[in-house]
Amino acid sequence: AQKITQTQPGMFVQEKEAVTLDCTYDTSDPSYGLFWYKQPSSGEMIFLIYQGSYDQQNATEGRYSLNFQKARKSANLVISASQLGDSAMYFCAMSHQDDMRFGAGTRLTVKP
Amino acid sequence: DGGITQSPKYLFRKEGQNVTLSCEQNLNHDAMYWYRQDPGQGLRLIYYSQIVNDFQKGDIAEGYSVSREKKESFPLTVTSAQKNPTAFYLCASSILTGYGTDTQYFGPGTRLTVL
Repeated sequence: AQKITQTQPGMFVQEKEAVTLDCTYDTSDPSYGLFWYKQPSSGEMIFLIYQGSYDQQNATEGRYSLNFQKARKSANLVISASQLGDSAMYFCAMSHQDDMRFGAGTRLTVKP
Repeated sequence: DGGITQSPKYLFRKEGQNVTLSCEQNLNHDAMYWYRQDPGQGLRLIYYSQIVNDFQKGDIAEGYSVSREKKESFPLTVTSAQKNPTAFYLCASSILTGYGTDTQYFGPGTRLTVL
């Protein structure tokens, strides 16, 4: 069975600094996708970034990058130059055969 | 604008009543999903549908029902059999490439409270 683990319930970062949110996963399948979503206080889940299990390069989307270490089964999200608007819940997810599983989330707070 | 809409944003229900949550998408996506989120937790899958007139149970389908009569619409009914329905409900949709790793896009959610 697929399992996603986010070990940081809460994280704090100073504005303009970088922050890494941890995510580990467990699967025996060779083909899977890894995702990060942002959930602000309004509740909507906003897609941030995707990494396929066969992708050789780490995914990047603007200030977001995914540090994919396949052998360690980790898919950490790196946010560079944090902004106050980055304060939100962040969820890691993994999809295999259209079955998407979510971690418990990390609450990020950006301090001015 | 393409997107996913959910209504209502807030819903209050008395015990013993059935309520229906609406989800509509104009992204021409094949697949649609319903998730439940409880405070401080991740999302759990209730039902999903990959084609009109067909749907599959997720991990927590008991006490819920769905229909998929149109590609654009996937309403969720919370029945009186659902023991603890107070939660945040999120609808999502995705294309189906066949690789099984398609990105899901979410609506704004409906917050259901049982009085």
